[in-house]
Amino acid sequence: EVQLVESGGGLVQPGGSLRLSCAASGFTFSTYSMNWVRQAPGKGLEWVSYISSGSSTIFYADSVKGRFTISRDNAKNSLYLQMNSLRAEDTAVYYCTRRSTEGFDYWGQGTLVTVSS
Amino acid sequence: IQLTQSPSFLSASVGDRVTITCRASQGISSYLAWYQQKPGKAPKLLIYAASTLQSGVPARFSGSGSGTEFTLTISSLQSEDFATYYCQQLNSYPYSFGQGTKLEIK
Repeated sequence: EVQLVESGGGLVQPGGSLRLSCAASGFTFSTYSMNWVRQAPGKGLEWVSYISSGSSTIFYADSVKGRFTISRDNAKNSLYLQMNSLRAEDTAVYYCTRRSTEGFDYWGQGTLVTVSS
Repeated sequence: IQLTQSPSFLSASVGDRVTITCRASQGISSYLAWYQQKPGKAPKLLIYAASTLQSGVPARFSGSGSGTEFTLTISSLQSEDFATYYCQQLNSYPYSFGQGTKLEIK
C-alpha cells in the first residue's frame, strides 16, 4: 500500500525556518518525481515545488522561490522541504504528493505550518 | 497557465446531473486532471488526461475536453459526492490548480 506521511509542521515566528519531511513507503520511491502542494486555511490548492526522481530537475512556485528548498534522499525514501524566511502567507497545510503519468495520484495527510508571532 | 473553474459554488440534490467547467488561459492539450477534496482530507485524483477515470473511481464521474475548455460531469449525484472539486493542468510547471468548485447539498 502506498503511503506518504508528512511531519515537521508547527508554529514558527515570521522570519523563522522549518523543515518538512515526507516518508514514503509501498512503492519504489526512487523512480517517481515528487511535489509539495499547500493549502491555506479555507483556501484552494497551491502547487509549491517539484523534484525529479534523481533530483536533477527542480521547480518552485514564484511565491516561494529563493526561500524554500526541496530535496530528497532516495536511500531513505524521504522527501524534504526546507522553508526559510517564513511569512504569514506561508501558513497552510503542506501535502507531499507523488507524480505519476496520471497526475498527483497519492497524497499524504498533510502537515500544518502556522507562521505567527 | 491560469485555470478558471465555473461555477465556484454549486447547490444540487442527490440524483442530479452536474457539470463543472475548467478553462485554461492557453492550450494544454489533454493534460488536465480533476481532484475531489472533502473537509479535512487530502485531495483524491478522479480523472487524468482530461477524460480517463482513475482506478476505483465510480463510473458516474466523467471528464471531457481538450485545448482550453474542459468539463467534469457527475451523472447522478450521490451523498458522498458533496465535496470541493479542483482541476489541475499538467502541461507545464508550475502545475496550477483551478480555484475550486464547492458542491453543496440543496
